[in-house]
This record gives sequence, structure tokens and C-alpha cells, in this order.
Amino acid sequence: GENVEQHPSTLSVQEGDSAVIKCTYSDSASNYFPWYKQELGKGPQLIIDIRSNVGEKKDQRIAVTLNKTAKHFSLHITETQPEDSAVYFCAASIETSGSRLTFGEGTQLTVNP
Amino acid sequence: DADVTQTPRNRITKTGKRIMLECSQTKGHDRMYWYRQDPGLGLRLIYYSFDVKDINKGEISDGYSVSRQAQAKFSLSLESAIPNQTALYFCATSGPTGGNEQFFGPGTRLTVL
Repeated sequence: GENVEQHPSTLSVQEGDSAVIKCTYSDSASNYFPWYKQELGKGPQLIIDIRSNVGEKKDQRIAVTLNKTAKHFSLHITETQPEDSAVYFCAASIETSGSRLTFGEGTQLTVNP
Repeated sequence: DADVTQTPRNRITKTGKRIMLECSQTKGHDRMYWYRQDPGLGLRLIYYSFDVKDINKGEISDGYSVSRQAQAKFSLSLESAIPNQTALYFCATSGPTGGNEQFFGPGTRLTVL
């Protein structure tokens, strides 16, 4: 089955700096790659996703890049703010519906004021 | 009001007890999921259901069972709880109107003594 590895497990940045979280996946058939943000005491929430036919996607301060050849994808957050502090999860799915997600281990991002 | 609700939010039980965690949604989604979250392991899929008559095992179904009582309700049972089932459990939903996004409930923290 699919295996998704995520690193780093913790990341601390100063407000205004950029943050990058990286994930690798094992199944070359995977074609859908979402990123979820989990705030303390809450369930995860989708922040951005990308499909295998796209190399990069941006949404304001957040961007995701995908390298299918190397089987890795990354989340980039620019101009970080304290409210970006949370746990971030990457995931992968071989289904176009994105139903069966395999998640990475999570990254605790802390943005220091 | 929350679109995906889970009850109870916290539960402490003893080894060998039968436990049921309940999930309800008002989003009108046909797909529902149960995940388990453990520190350093991310979220792992236990069971998923694409409609009332469709139940599928996920990555870690051993020791768990589910019931899809209606489109809006999906319950997770631990027939005989054991300490290594201590975890945070999340229900999620998805549907054609929401694309691939999975919407998570607030979670149930289960402790098995």
C-alpha cells in the first residue's frame, strides 16, 4: 500500500519568515495530494490540494509543489503569521475522488512573534 | 452549528469494555470515514463507507467494527477495548458537492485503562 513520509516533525520560524514542509510517497499511482491544517483541539481542515497533472498551485500565502518523477511534494507558506501555528499533514490518494487518503506523520509548525 | 458532530468528546473506559463512538453529519455527504490519530503516526484510516450499503476496511480495522445506520450517521465500535486503542478518533465526510475535501469532526479522545 501507499506510504507517506513527512518532515520535519517540528518546525519553528520567526513571524514573516517562510516555512517549507516536505513529503514523499511510495505509490507512483497516487494522483491526489491534499494538505490539512489541524489547530489545537480541532479536526484537520483542508488548506490546499494538488493533482498529479499540475506541478504547482498557489493560494495567497500558501503554495504546493509536486515532483512526480521524484515522488515528493512540498508545502510552502510565505510571510508566516502566529495564526499559522498548527500541525500540518500531507496526504496522498490513488483515487481521483481522494477517498482513501494515506497521511504523513504531521509537522508541528510554530511561528514566533 | 457544526456540520460534523461526534459523541462523546471524551471517554475513559476499562479494558474489555464495549465502546461505541458516534458520528452525525448535516452536510448531505454520502461518504463517511473513521480515522485514528496517534502522536507521531498521523491519521490512519479505520473504516470508510461510500453509502449506507457500502462498508470498507481501511488500513487498521482489526479490533473495530462500524455501522452505517443512515446516510447521516456512522458509528465506530470497539467490541472489547484494549489499552493500545487509546487515541484520538476522528470522523470525516466527503461528497460530490464538496469535491475531494474531507470535512472532519472535532474528535473523540478515548482512554482505555
